Amino acid sequence: KQEVTQIPAALSVPEGENLVLNCSFTDSAIYNLQWFRQDPGKGLTSLLLIQSSQREQTSGRLNASLDKSSGRSTLYIAASQPGDSATYLCAVRLETSGSRLTFGEGTQLTVNP
Amino acid sequence: GAVVSQHPSRVICKSGTSVKIECRSLDFQATTMFWYRQFPKQSLMLMATSNEGSKATYEQGVEKDKFLINHASLTLSTLTVTSAHPEDSSFYICSARERTGEYGYTFGSGTRLTVV
Repeated sequence: KQEVTQIPAALSVPEGENLVLNCSFTDSAIYNLQWFRQDPGKGLTSLLLIQSSQREQTSGRLNASLDKSSGRSTLYIAASQPGDSATYLCAVRLETSGSRLTFGEGTQLTVNP
Repeated sequence: GAVVSQHPSRVICKSGTSVKIECRSLDFQATTMFWYRQFPKQSLMLMATSNEGSKATYEQGVEKDKFLINHASLTLSTLTVTSAHPEDSSFYICSARERTGEYGYTFGSGTRLTVV
């Protein structure tokens, strides 16, 4: 059974700091991995999608990397802003699980002005 | 990009009544949609997978007679919480994937259900 773990569970940083969120998964036979952002009481917004054949994806100040063999992904946020405050979730789609996603518990990020 | 619309965003109902939540893919066809439930400060729990034109596949422990799912078209899936009870109060989120998978999974904005 695929398990997805995110560390840390919560993170508080001052504005402007660069930060890294971690996601690990137990089954390396993944189809893809997706990072989401969730604001309180809202749905999920997709940030980055990394296919199993890719090593990283970038969008603006966000960079996500994927190391299938070690079962890890990181989300790097550069020059953090108060507007980045949210819960960040990683989700893995296995090759054999059909279309279902397995989510981590999330990292709650607070960026202080 | 792909957009999923979910309504209502918030609903309060009396115990014993039924509530219907709609999930629409606005600019793409979704043969498969997913329904999740989220408890406070927890991650998403998959409830069921909704397939267009066929019966939904429910996860273990989810009562299919309580959570009725209908996927009548390639752009619409509905979740009906029947005979709702206070313990059904939660945040429900739907998700869909467009066929090519180019955009990964797109999520609705969620529905906050409160049963009083």
